Amino acid sequence: DGGITQSPKYLFRKEGQNVTLSCEQNLNHDAMYWYRQDPGQGLRLIYYSQIVNDFQKGDIAEGYSVSREKKESFPLTVTSAQKNPTAFYLCASSRTGRDTQYFGPGTRLTVL
Amino acid sequence: AQSVTQPDIHITVSEGASLELRCNYSYGATPYLFWYVQSPGQGLQLLLKYFSGDTLVQGIKGFEAEFKRSQSSFNLRKPSVHWSDAAEYFCAVGAGGTSYDKVIFGPGTSLSVIP
Repeated sequence: DGGITQSPKYLFRKEGQNVTLSCEQNLNHDAMYWYRQDPGQGLRLIYYSQIVNDFQKGDIAEGYSVSREKKESFPLTVTSAQKNPTAFYLCASSRTGRDTQYFGPGTRLTVL
Repeated sequence: AQSVTQPDIHITVSEGASLELRCNYSYGATPYLFWYVQSPGQGLQLLLKYFSGDTLVQGIKGFEAEFKRSQSSFNLRKPSVHWSDAAEYFCAVGAGGTSYDKVIFGPGTSLSVIP
């Protein structure tokens, strides 16, 4: 089945540690995205990539980093510089930049 | 700049009642338009989309939406709400920018359903 997978579903981190969230898609989409969602809030764009080996900062990129070495993979690293990383993180992909986005199930990150 | 507004932060309806969720956008050309639904702790699921053609679009789960260019609106409707429709609903606009194309999401409308 085609789709987007995110792992793990729940992630716990100690303060000061970096952590990497996985996002994989087998839809052959060029564009991929990372969003952050806080309780009762909408989606805030962290990073996006419209092609392999290229990515751009979104609205809240500080404290996060990404890579896009393969078309199907777009991992997000939450660094210790991110002051308030506890949130729900959503990955998405689309055929083009303005086309339908397909979302993964999300990863809930909690900093202890 | 492109933007999306959803005027209603939270709506409560009784089961069996009709529903309309409002969405307004700001964009100079004809946009791509989307409605997504999100259940608690889940990812977003596409309900329906409008790219061109018939301005009344049918989606999954009995939802429909109408694109009104003169009002810059894309309101979501359902004639009879079920308890399982309680969720967060996001309107989104796909727009062509000066340097890249992008999708802009509205802030969302939370729907509660009274049995």
